[in-house]
Amino acid sequence: QPHLQESGPGLVKPSETLSLTCTVSGGSISDFYWSWVRQPAGKGLEWIGRIYKTGRTEYDPSFQSRLTMSVDTSKNQFSLNLRSVTAADTGLYFCARNFYYFLDVWGKGTTVTVSS
Amino acid sequence: EVVLTQSPATLPLSPGERATLSCRASQSVGRYLAWYQQKPGQAPRLLIHDASNRATGIPARFSGSGSGTDFTLTISSLEPEDFAVYYCQQRTNWPPTFGGGTKVEIK
Repeated sequence: QPHLQESGPGLVKPSETLSLTCTVSGGSISDFYWSWVRQPAGKGLEWIGRIYKTGRTEYDPSFQSRLTMSVDTSKNQFSLNLRSVTAADTGLYFCARNFYYFLDVWGKGTTVTVSS
Repeated sequence: EVVLTQSPATLPLSPGERATLSCRASQSVGRYLAWYQQKPGQAPRLLIHDASNRATGIPARFSGSGSGTDFTLTISSLEPEDFAVYYCQQRTNWPPTFGGGTKVEIK
């Protein structure tokens, strides 16, 4: 199974952009869709969106207006940019591999705090 | 958006007991439902997909059943490592949605 590793700033100021990258190792990014999921502290899971190697994306409507996802197949990476963040965007962000819209391989997650 | 309601919120049981977790959908999702296990400080782990298919490496004590709007995850005999939070997730309609979770705790 591949290994997924999230990376990015742990602290983002309100109204700024949250940027995260997921690096896939031990497998090609080209064979699957890839997703971002988040989890506010002490709460449940929220699907953010997913992307394919072609750059085709599907975004949760809740994030549509301020979300951009991208993929770099040469680096085996995909990324998330969430604009105009607020404290409500604080949480644990996971990247994961899609298995027919289910998620069968996950990164360990990275904590993002939105605070000034 | 399909709303998934899990019950109970908390399930206190002892090792060796049988656990029965419920997930109810606000509209039919066919059999396109998965179950995940999440332990503190860890990522979720896929247990069951398409209602009743165990994911790779998942022990046989985990089983899933149901279709349409009512689904069940059963753990036949709880092992110490099974005490965790369990989430269901549907993929029939976009966006995919998760239930609120059931915490299986030691009684």
